[in-house]
Amino acid sequence: DQQVKQNSPSLSVQEGRISILNCDYTNSMFDYFLWYKKYPAEGPTFLISISSIKDKNEDGRFTVFLNKSAKHLSLHIVPSQPGDSAVYFCAASESSGSARQLTFGSGTQLTVLP
Amino acid sequence: DTGVSQNPRHKITKRGQNVTFRCDPISEHNRLYWYRQTLGQGPEFLTYFQNEAQLEKSRLLSDRFSAERPKGSFSTLEIQRTEQGDSAMYLCASSFLNLERDRGRDGYTFGSGTRLTVV
Repeated sequence: DQQVKQNSPSLSVQEGRISILNCDYTNSMFDYFLWYKKYPAEGPTFLISISSIKDKNEDGRFTVFLNKSAKHLSLHIVPSQPGDSAVYFCAASESSGSARQLTFGSGTQLTVLP
Repeated sequence: DTGVSQNPRHKITKRGQNVTFRCDPISEHNRLYWYRQTLGQGPEFLTYFQNEAQLEKSRLLSDRFSAERPKGSFSTLEIQRTEQGDSAMYLCASSFLNLERDRGRDGYTFGSGTRLTVV
């Protein structure tokens, strides 16, 4: 049973346009959400996070939106650049969990076309 | 400090052999995690250490798997009697004790992983 789902395995966007990556979760105990970016042959790198007490967090070109009632979050990249082409993973964790383990989605391959 | 280091980067082994991977975390991080990633999936939690204590293990970690973190520094993950289903990328990550302290600034720091192929 996948607790974090990324239903779009891939997304192509033209350079300069907006990229929107989506993520859904089922576990209502999740209260902290993160996005990671992964290039081939490298480990995931942290991109941006959001606590469940917020509905938006912005960092430069990256904005994460959280809709708790819908159990949905999205990552917006504006403007998209070719260097943003990578696999993006959504992840979630529970504050009550002692391990702070992250539950990841299966990822979305973003391709930004020049 | 150049981040989380994992060795080897690649390992090809025959079914039934034992393999051991090493992870060197960021020196000031006292939490260390092991994750496994198979093709087309996101990383899955295996186990974590706080200092030298192994505090949680996933049900994915069968009795053929063992992890250690002697002296709370580097960690090793050993897989005994490897099976083809063990083929995956094994990722190590480290973090500070309290993730809240780093919220909004940082998540885990992952290594580049060890890719295991069991033939």
